[in-house]
Amino acid sequence: GENVEQHPSTLSVQEGDSAVIKCTYSDSASNYFPWYKQELGKGPQLIIDIRSNVGEKKDQRIAVTLNKTAKHFSLHITETQPEDSAVYFCATPTGNQFYFGTGTSLTVIP
Amino acid sequence: EPEVTQTPSHQVTQMGQEVILRCVPISNHLYFYWYRQILGQKVEFLVSFYNNEISEKSEIFDDQFSVERPDGSNFTLKIRSTKLEDSAMYFCASSEAGYTQYFGPGTRLTVL
Repeated sequence: GENVEQHPSTLSVQEGDSAVIKCTYSDSASNYFPWYKQELGKGPQLIIDIRSNVGEKKDQRIAVTLNKTAKHFSLHITETQPEDSAVYFCATPTGNQFYFGTGTSLTVIP
Repeated sequence: EPEVTQTPSHQVTQMGQEVILRCVPISNHLYFYWYRQILGQKVEFLVSFYNNEISEKSEIFDDQFSVERPDGSNFTLKIRSTKLEDSAMYFCASSEAGYTQYFGPGTRLTVL
């Protein structure tokens, strides 16, 4: 099955700085790469996703980049705010089975 | 905005008992999923369901687990004989086309 690795496991940034989280995957046939934000006691919430025919996608302060050759994709959050503090998960499917990364706990320090 | 709902929010059961976790997916979605998350760990895929049948299942989804869509709105996960290690958060998700998934708030299952 797919092997998804996510780094770092924890990340602390000052408010206003940027945060970058990276995931690598093993299945070269993967074609969909979502990122989820999970706040304490809640379900994962999709924040951005990218398909394999696109290299980068932006939505306001959030962007995802994809490098299919190297089999990695990254989440970029600019101008971080305290409300960005949460656990972030990457994921990718093989067939209809989704594999999640191990999560990154992001803390934005005011 | 439509959302996935799950009941109950917390279920406590004795080891060996059967539990049924319920989900109401978003109404026009065609793909349904169950995931579990042990406290502090990553989200793990259990099963996907499309066109009234299981399309994929993980190694975790053994004979103790089953899913059903008993009517046009509910999607259920049944655990026949719960074990201590089944204690986790269980999330339901639904998708319109098999990509973008929307998760419910989860059911916390505690097996004593």
